[in-house]
Amino acid sequence: AQTVTQSQPEMSVQEAETVTLSCTYDTSESDYYLFWYKQPPSRQMILVIRQEAYKQQNATENRFSVNFQKAAKSFSLKISDSQLGDAAMYFCAYRSASLFPLNTGNQFYFGTGTSLTVIP
Amino acid sequence: EAQVTQNPRYLITVTGKKLTVTCSQNMNHEYMSWYRQDPGLGLRQIYYSMNVEVTDKGDVPEGYKVSRKEKRNFPLILESPSPNQTSLYFCASSTRSNQPQHFGDGTRLSIL
Repeated sequence: AQTVTQSQPEMSVQEAETVTLSCTYDTSESDYYLFWYKQPPSRQMILVIRQEAYKQQNATENRFSVNFQKAAKSFSLKISDSQLGDAAMYFCAYRSASLFPLNTGNQFYFGTGTSLTVIP
Repeated sequence: EAQVTQNPRYLITVTGKKLTVTCSQNMNHEYMSWYRQDPGLGLRQIYYSMNVEVTDKGDVPEGYKVSRKEKRNFPLILESPSPNQTSLYFCASSTRSNQPQHFGDGTRLSIL
């Protein structure tokens, strides 16, 4: 089984500032997908951003961007110009890109989450 | 509207009383999955299904059953629920297993 580690259980950021959430993962595969999901207090799971491992360019979605370091197996999420609505639990997730993966099965693996507080 | 629908949203029940949590998606997705979310543990996959009649275990399948008789439905069955199955449960679906998943709104399950 793969492991996804989020080492920061809680983070806080001042409104309008920038914050980076960390995520590391363990895999022997070369092709895979990484995701960040946001879970606000409503408990909905909302996709924030997706990165394909074979793409060197870091994914961006408006104020959200990632720093993907494949060799270091690191996938951090940067939130710029933080807003009150960004307050949520953030989960990092991993999925093999192979339709017939040998080691992981067809599973998604999630980290334990980082709770982000935005201070007005 | 494209969505994943779970029912019930909340359920309080007692140990040993069989229950089923339903999940239905209207997006013609092939891949469906069940997760449980517990504090400090994140989301852990219980079972997933690659297509009709194709299911497989995730990381925490003990005490759960699933079936995939139709493409749109993927019910989660607890034959003899126990208090350690008290959790928040999510159903999710995607076009293929390596695509982002669409999640249901969650089912808060309490077993006394």
